[in-house]
Amino acid sequence: QKEVEQDPGPLSVPEGAIVSLNCTYSNSAFQYFMWYRQYSRKGPELLMYTYSSGNKEDGRFTAQVDKSSKYISLFIRDSQPSDSATYLCAMSAGYSSASKIIFGSGTRLSIRP
Amino acid sequence: GAVVSQHPSRVICKSGTSVKIECRSLDFQATTMFWYRQFPKQSLMLMATSNEGSKATYEQGVEKDKFLINHASLTLSTLTVTSAHPEDSSFYICSARDPGRVFTDTQYFGPGTRLTVL
Repeated sequence: QKEVEQDPGPLSVPEGAIVSLNCTYSNSAFQYFMWYRQYSRKGPELLMYTYSSGNKEDGRFTAQVDKSSKYISLFIRDSQPSDSATYLCAMSAGYSSASKIIFGSGTRLSIRP
Repeated sequence: GAVVSQHPSRVICKSGTSVKIECRSLDFQATTMFWYRQFPKQSLMLMATSNEGSKATYEQGVEKDKFLINHASLTLSTLTVTSAHPEDSSFYICSARDPGRVFTDTQYFGPGTRLTVL
């Protein structure tokens, strides 16, 4: 079983729709949760990060963490064609220099104009 | 956000040659940098952790004699793929931690280097 599971998609939605992206994980030690956006042939770009459980909102993006269910989500409101990319969830157990970030496999998202 | 650059962005080489990829943190000092490879439509696979002034820590299954990592300064890490073969063709991405930020587990990624070995 992978430590982090993410549906690879592809996910295609019309412009303006609300998008929900999700990951599950198995390691209860994870405390830091991140979402990265990766455009084709580019490096990942950090979108959101959260510590422990709860919600965090930044513009059209909302990140949710439910540690009891080992489940994290990223919501995108009023989706735009420019949001079309691969979204990677990532998580780690700590902030020491030795801690590793474990990535999900990424969900390819396409927003139809 | 913090800026990490990589050079070159794309390289094509013949089988058997060595290729060096540079990763630089432009606006912060990175004591720790990471090297990943990514195959098409797959996630990032951590290859090694590069610590300034010390030897890199390689992940299981990664040949340290083939993928040489040097982190000689706080702003530069290099990955050298020695005696490259077609199966080494991939997208190589570096990242760096910015220890000056509150959320110290955030990694900032470079734009990646696409290596094609003929």
